[in-house]
Amino acid sequence: ETGVTQTPRHLVMGMTNKKSLKCEQHLGHNAMYWYKQSAKKPLELMFVYSLEERVENNSVPSRFSPECPNSSHLFLHLHTLQPEDSALYLCASSQDGGLSGELFFGEGSRLTVL
Amino acid sequence: DQQVKQNSPSLSVQEGRISILNCDYTNSMFDYFLWYKKYPAEGPTFLISISSIKDKNEDGRFTVFLNKSAKHLSLHIVPSQPGDSAVYFCAASRGGGATNKLIFGTGTLLAVQP
Repeated sequence: ETGVTQTPRHLVMGMTNKKSLKCEQHLGHNAMYWYKQSAKKPLELMFVYSLEERVENNSVPSRFSPECPNSSHLFLHLHTLQPEDSALYLCASSQDGGLSGELFFGEGSRLTVL
Repeated sequence: DQQVKQNSPSLSVQEGRISILNCDYTNSMFDYFLWYKKYPAEGPTFLISISSIKDKNEDGRFTVFLNKSAKHLSLHIVPSQPGDSAVYFCAASRGGGATNKLIFGTGTLLAVQP
């Protein structure tokens, strides 16, 4: 079992649907992240939560709504998405304040918006 | 404008030979650099890092070299093995490796031929 698990692994949704991506970390970390990976683009940081409070939102459209109910769980709520939002969404965790630069990633949720 | 650039989208190397993956950056404030490795259908995993106060860091078959004046770093894998075939992401940060400030490159796909 990996330290960071994401569900679902694959999701296909229409532009009018509402869905959620889930992430759970079993590493005792206190910071969690959502990254977006599109083809031929760098990994893009979307949201950072530290101690369950959002500390960074990199100008992500409001159709993406994160939720962090506790230090082990992170959600990404999706609604009225666009086809260009199709990508691999990666969750990661770290021990906030650590300076190793080491993030622990989940396997990702592959999202396709029709 | 990309602050971390991996100009080679792919690299093919024979088993047993050296693999050299390159990364360039533009922000002179970056002070910590990392390499992540990603297999298909898995999340990226941390491989090796280097602080800007060093010019070399070695871990087994993996060595990272940093040339601050050229704003260039490279990852050397020797000898290369078929299991090294993956996408390699370069990442950089300001603030000594603080995980919420990582900037990633687009990745280089390494194929090690048996």
